[in-house]
Amino acid sequence: DIVMTQSPDSLAVSLGERATINCKSSQSVLYRSNNKNYLAWYQQKPGQPPKLLIYWASTRESGVPDRFSGSGSGTDFTLTISSLQAEDVAVYYCQQYFGTQYSFGQGTKLEIK
Amino acid sequence: QVQLVQSGAEVKKSGASVKVSCKASGYAFIGYYMHWVRQAPGQGLEWMGWMNPDSGGTDYAQKFQGRVTMTRGTSVSTAYVELSRLRSDDTAVYFCARSSSTYFAFDMWGQGTMVTVSS
Repeated sequence: DIVMTQSPDSLAVSLGERATINCKSSQSVLYRSNNKNYLAWYQQKPGQPPKLLIYWASTRESGVPDRFSGSGSGTDFTLTISSLQAEDVAVYYCQQYFGTQYSFGQGTKLEIK
Repeated sequence: QVQLVQSGAEVKKSGASVKVSCKASGYAFIGYYMHWVRQAPGQGLEWMGWMNPDSGGTDYAQKFQGRVTMTRGTSVSTAYVELSRLRSDDTAVYFCARSSSTYFAFDMWGQGTMVTVSS
């Protein structure tokens, strides 16, 4: 099974500043035949289900603000929020969907400093 | 509109079974895999498995093999997850989630169903 590890576990950033969350997979999630990374990012606010932000490691879901961006390939990935807004306070999860078994990272709690 | 609506909260005794439903509307039910994900209180997301609503085929996370069953009722566009031999650490919110047929990530989620297991 592919294990996903996020860092840090929690993060406090000032409004308007950049927030960066990292995700590492125990094996590559890059599918060579189509050159796609089978990795997604989700945002979860208290009392709500998760919301898809990014898929294929760097493609924004429709309606997601462009301050959210994803990067990385193979085993190392990053979610960046370019200018933190108050409504971005949430827990963020990475997820791999390489093969038939899926798995999530442990989550990163993002707060306002 | 596209939505997944889950059944209500459940309270069960240790050793019992629970069955949670997820009714899909606004899209072709058989065209998207349905996954189940759970979240224990204050904890992260845990993927349990998926079901192909067209064929009924399933794939479960190893942790739940032998205890979980995912089924569907195609005429009512509803997916089900049943977990048996419940333990206190099965207390969690259970979510259904649809995976996109083009990019496989979970683009739609149910509202969640709280399952509480008491001894």
